[in-house]
Amino acid sequence: TQLLEQSPQFLSIQEGENLTVYCNSSSVFSSLQWYRQEPGEGPVLLVTVVTGGEVKKLKRLTFQFGDARKDSSLHITAAQPGDTGLYLCAGTRGYALNFGKGTSLLVTP
Amino acid sequence: SQTIHQWPATLVQPVGSPLSLECTVEGTSNPNLYWYRQAAGRGLQLLFYSVGIGQISSEVPQNLSASRPQDRQFILSSKKLLLSDSGFYLCAWSVEAGQTEAFFGQGTRLTVV
Repeated sequence: TQLLEQSPQFLSIQEGENLTVYCNSSSVFSSLQWYRQEPGEGPVLLVTVVTGGEVKKLKRLTFQFGDARKDSSLHITAAQPGDTGLYLCAGTRGYALNFGKGTSLLVTP
Repeated sequence: SQTIHQWPATLVQPVGSPLSLECTVEGTSNPNLYWYRQAAGRGLQLLFYSVGIGQISSEVPQNLSASRPQDRQFILSSKKLLLSDSGFYLCAWSVEAGQTEAFFGQGTRLTVV
């Protein structure tokens, strides 16, 4: 069973549009992380959220951790082609990070 | 600064052949090390993790094994590859076990033919 469910799986939008992707679980996490991965490369950390209800901003990206620490969202404002990639959320289970299946985002000019 | 090296970048191997993928970390001591597999550009499946030399934990029983002969070296192996072993293999390290950022290598694209 998948510990972290991400939606949507695929998203294709035009430059300038806004979007939100979601990461949901039935389990409580002490923290959740968001990574971005480009084709043929390893994932790179964008942010870690720790406190329930926490909101973090990274330029045009806004990350929110649910109050119950079971879910998180990533909102991108005015998407650009450079935002194209696979967005993965991850939570700690035992000794290692467990990842969702990701949201594949394509932003076209 | 810390760096992680993973090789080879791509590999094409026949069914039944052995496999050895190597990962090394520089610039840190006693890292936690991980092997993940990613199929078709989707989510990462944890295969093995290690919190110290000679300590290997397997998350998914399969045709693969891992070893950590040195503090900053992590090796993924197979005696006989299967078609289903094809995928993108990623090595990663972290300072604390699962609690902090994981730093990933560039990955190995393995195709079993």
